[in-house]
Amino acid sequence: DTGVSQNPRHKITKRGQNVTFRCDPISEHNRLYWYRQTLGQGPEFLTYFQNEAQLEKSRLLSDRFSAERPKGSFSTLEIQRTEQGDSAMYLCASSKEGRLPQHFGDGTRLSIL
Amino acid sequence: AQTVTQSQPEMSVQEAETVTLSCTYDTSENNYYLFWYKQPPSRQMILVIRQEAYKQQNATENRFSVNFQKAAKSFSLKISDSQLGDTAMYFCAPPQGGSEKLVFGKGTKLTVNP
Repeated sequence: DTGVSQNPRHKITKRGQNVTFRCDPISEHNRLYWYRQTLGQGPEFLTYFQNEAQLEKSRLLSDRFSAERPKGSFSTLEIQRTEQGDSAMYLCASSKEGRLPQHFGDGTRLSIL
Repeated sequence: AQTVTQSQPEMSVQEAETVTLSCTYDTSENNYYLFWYKQPPSRQMILVIRQEAYKQQNATENRFSVNFQKAAKSFSLKISDSQLGDTAMYFCAPPQGGSEKLVFGKGTKLTVNP
């Protein structure tokens, strides 16, 4: 169990640029979640994959956001045309199956200049 | 939509003492479970304890225990013999829906003082 890995740890970019984050879940975990956490708040759900299928998306996930999990292993979250309000910590979590705890990565902190 | 309320934004406790963090939630589900997670400063979210709603017995994990009141939809966390390493944000998080996505409260910032 090597844990959930997220890259990069920090991303600083100018407003309007595109960014992509990667999440490598614990192997054999078929469920993968993305959350966003702003300062002083609890994480908010963004999207959920079961294997390679994206089964749920939050209303927070505007059309500038896209997530993929092409082979049911790692996942990417892309934000196009970044805005100031996108500044946050983006957390990835995985679980093996239902009713089991989610394991979180360290997160990617996004800062928009 | 499910809501989670943690009414104590910040708490502090002396090392070795006991502290209780409160959480209330709203759900229409009957068979569910609940988590407490902790998030130390600049570190990852980690699971503290899990409670199945159908179990009458409160969950215990070493120094951590819960007081689960299903009818009142209350799920408090008790930390006994507090340690400096317990300093963290604590989140109550019930899963919701078929995806079992976690719904987090705003958290309680716990500081353990030496």
